[in-house]
Amino acid sequence: AQKVTQAQTEISVVEKEDVTLDCVYETRDTTYYLFWYKQPPSGELVFLIRRNSFDEQNEISGRYSWNFQKSTSSFNFTITASQVVDSAVYFCALTYNNNDMRFGAGTRLTVKP
Amino acid sequence: DSGVTQTPKHLITATGQRVTLRCSPRSGDLSVYWYQQSLDQGLQFLIQYYNGEERAKGNILERFSAQQFPDLHSELNLSSLELGDSALYFCASSSRTGLSPLHFGNGTRLTVT
Repeated sequence: AQKVTQAQTEISVVEKEDVTLDCVYETRDTTYYLFWYKQPPSGELVFLIRRNSFDEQNEISGRYSWNFQKSTSSFNFTITASQVVDSAVYFCALTYNNNDMRFGAGTRLTVKP
Repeated sequence: DSGVTQTPKHLITATGQRVTLRCSPRSGDLSVYWYQQSLDQGLQFLIQYYNGEERAKGNILERFSAQQFPDLHSELNLSSLELGDSALYFCASSSRTGLSPLHFGNGTRLTVT
């Protein structure tokens, strides 16, 4: 069975602080894909990143970085120097074929000025 | 803008009624997915179509049905509505089954009174 756990329900930080959103997953598949999506207050779901199970390289995109560790089944997301516009709900997701993408419960991030 | 268009944006209806939600995928995308986001269940996969054919089913109730038309747009039909069906319904599309990220529309917020 596939499962994604985002243990942090809500996080609140002050602008310019760094923040890490945790994602732990369970799967029996050897090939799978992990995703992060952002849902701002306006409600749409915005794709941020996809990582496949064979690529454990960390990725950095501007202030965003992702740390994928198969040994701990984790795919954590760090925002450096957070900004108010980063306030949103962030979802981690797992799939092996896109037919049934499993989402975590989401972490609500609030960045205060 | 993800390129996925969902209409209507908001829908308010009474219990027992039937509604139809519409989705136009990104240009060139053959796969369409429907998801339900409710407060207590999070993001749940309902159903997927690929090039007009049903490809996968998730937690979709028998009262719900969907189809994908030759022009690739999709409709989700919800009937005998109950209060618990109130949720945000997302459509997503991807370029092919398997590996492409899902790109989500802005959702249809359904309120059943």
